[in-house]
Amino acid sequence: DQQVKQNSPSLSVQEGRISILNCDYTNSMFDYFLWYKKYPAEGPTFLISISSIKDKNEDGRFTVFLNKSAKHLSLHIVPSQPGDSAVYFCAARAGGTSYGKLTFGQGTILTVHP
Amino acid sequence: ETGVTQSPTHLIKTRGQQVTLRCSSQSGHNTVSWYQQALGQGPQFIFQYYREEENGRGNFPPRFSGLQFPNYSSELNVNALELDDSALYLCASSWGSFEETQYFGPGTRLLVL
Repeated sequence: DQQVKQNSPSLSVQEGRISILNCDYTNSMFDYFLWYKKYPAEGPTFLISISSIKDKNEDGRFTVFLNKSAKHLSLHIVPSQPGDSAVYFCAARAGGTSYGKLTFGQGTILTVHP
Repeated sequence: ETGVTQSPTHLIKTRGQQVTLRCSSQSGHNTVSWYQQALGQGPQFIFQYYREEENGRGNFPPRFSGLQFPNYSSELNVNALELDDSALYLCASSWGSFEETQYFGPGTRLLVL
């Protein structure tokens, strides 16, 4: 039962353009969402997060949008840079639990071409 | 401020053996979570330790066990290794069990032959 899904295994974008990574979820109890970036041979690095009480959060070139009715979130990277090439994971946490279990999607490989 | 560190970086074991993986949490963090990442998949939650007690567990059998020490470092122990245990094991730390943002170490790559 995949509660968090990233349906695009890969995405290729030209440097300077926008990258849009998508994520869908099924569990209505999720109340906090995060995006992580992972380079080979490194652990996931936290990028940006959003609480379910918001629909948008920005941090520099990164913006996360949350559509609760559609159970969908997206990460926008503008402008994209070659150093952004990595695997991107979305993750979610269910409210009402006493511990911080994160449920991850399968990841999307982003390639930014110079 | 030091980040999350894990040891060893790589490990090769045979089926039926036991393994211990180690994690030092980020400075100031008192909560450690362990995840298993199989090839091509996202990380899967194994369990979390908060103030030296197990504080939540995912769908992993009892042969996966852990410890947290007074300095908040942690160990993951896996007994009776199976071929499917081959994966990247990630440790993440946070301040408090309710803290949403977890910071990950580089992982330990385990290969079971």
